[in-house]
Amino acid sequence: EVQLVESGGGLVKPGGSLRLSCAASGFTFSSYSMNWVRQAPGKGLEWVSSISSSSSYIYYADSVKGRFTISRDNAKNSLYLQMNSLRAEDTAVYYCARDPTTVTNSWVWYFDLWGRGTLVTVSS
Amino acid sequence: AIRMTQSPSSFSASTGDRVTITCRASQGISSYLAWYQQKPGKAPKLLIYAASTLQSGVPSRFSGSGSGTDFTLTISCLQSEDFATYYCQQYYSYPGTFGQGTKVEIK
Repeated sequence: EVQLVESGGGLVKPGGSLRLSCAASGFTFSSYSMNWVRQAPGKGLEWVSSISSSSSYIYYADSVKGRFTISRDNAKNSLYLQMNSLRAEDTAVYYCARDPTTVTNSWVWYFDLWGRGTLVTVSS
Repeated sequence: AIRMTQSPSSFSASTGDRVTITCRASQGISSYLAWYQQKPGKAPKLLIYAASTLQSGVPSRFSGSGSGTDFTLTISCLQSEDFATYYCQQYYSYPGTFGQGTKVEIK
């Protein structure tokens, strides 16, 4: 089955760190650019970060630049998001999402496959 | 950044109704528009891309139209499983921005 499964969310204090993981299965993970998208409670969707298929290109939203680091391990079919210096406004469900293009190190910038998400709560 | 505005924010409808959701971009985005459906507690699901191309497996009662700045998502005959929140997303310019969502509720 083609799927993405996120893990690693939880409750963390402001200023703390958390590492999210996304396990991919059912497709050739190394062929696709991957993304993190988040959704604050009761709010809309916000793109967070993207990484190309071979990790050659990486992008971040201004709101997380310098605090979050995206990475991937194609041998393990896994995507990661290291989140440091967390703030209350980072509280959200974090989704792993696939870009549909298989052109190497490219994006079309919409998302054809999503995981079910993992909740990150930043609170003292 | 390109701003996407959906209307209405929410509305009530009955099973069998024909419903239309509108999405407007703050500048022209050609046909670089996607629509997603999200049910409570679930991940978003891609319905339509390129403004009018139905994603594989999506029922044909869903359709999309528009180009430039104005777009619509139409559900021709609302089914019980269609009560959800719908989001548009432009991908004309990196990194792609979403509308605020339109919640379709049961009347």
